[in-house]
Amino acid sequence: NAGVTQTPKFQVLKTGQSMTLQCAQDMNHNSMYWYRQDPGMGLRLIYYSASEGTTDKGEVPNGYNVSRLNKREFSLRLESAAPSQTSVYFCASSESLNTEAFFGQGTRLTVV
Amino acid sequence: QKEVEQNSGPLSVPEGAIASLNCTYSDRGSQSFFWYRQYSGKSPELIMFIYSNGDKEDGRFTAQLNKASQYVSLLIRDSQPSDSATYLCAIGSSNTGKLIFGQGTTLQVKP
Repeated sequence: NAGVTQTPKFQVLKTGQSMTLQCAQDMNHNSMYWYRQDPGMGLRLIYYSASEGTTDKGEVPNGYNVSRLNKREFSLRLESAAPSQTSVYFCASSESLNTEAFFGQGTRLTVV
Repeated sequence: QKEVEQNSGPLSVPEGAIASLNCTYSDRGSQSFFWYRQYSGKSPELIMFIYSNGDKEDGRFTAQLNKASQYVSLLIRDSQPSDSATYLCAIGSSNTGKLIFGQGTTLQVKP
């Protein structure tokens, strides 16, 4: 079982470049999430999607956009990358809101 | 006040001891509570979830929930060096359902 798959695993961007982080789950989950993790900060929610066709802001949405492409896929886009967006990004999915979430392997992003 | 608070540690316990990890939360209406373990450089993995007041046991792990006092704890019995990791508490928001994490507690189990 693949579970939650994120691509790419590593990425280096120059300031101002754009990129999209991809996430797909094969567990038929309704809800999906994007988090970032910085040292000493825990996991902070960027955006989430309660179900196909809906997206909502989390704790730190500025500088990001998301697309819930279908039930399986939830992408995160950085339109103009900034050094402050250097972080490890995790995608997660759950059967529904308020149920246990399962995480992808993470994307380590560096913006120089 | 942060929505979910944990002591960052490190919490150091000898092998075979009980490790006690605590988490407090601010949203009194929260419905769901989770404990995740994260090894360095890896993604979080679910250990326990609890929805009702009281204790829930799974092997060496026990989750305890007290909604009146707004805290949830994780006890690890017979701690092993392989339990050394960061433990993340997560709370499901009552009104939005979004999953909010604490900053995590680093546990060190010394042989």
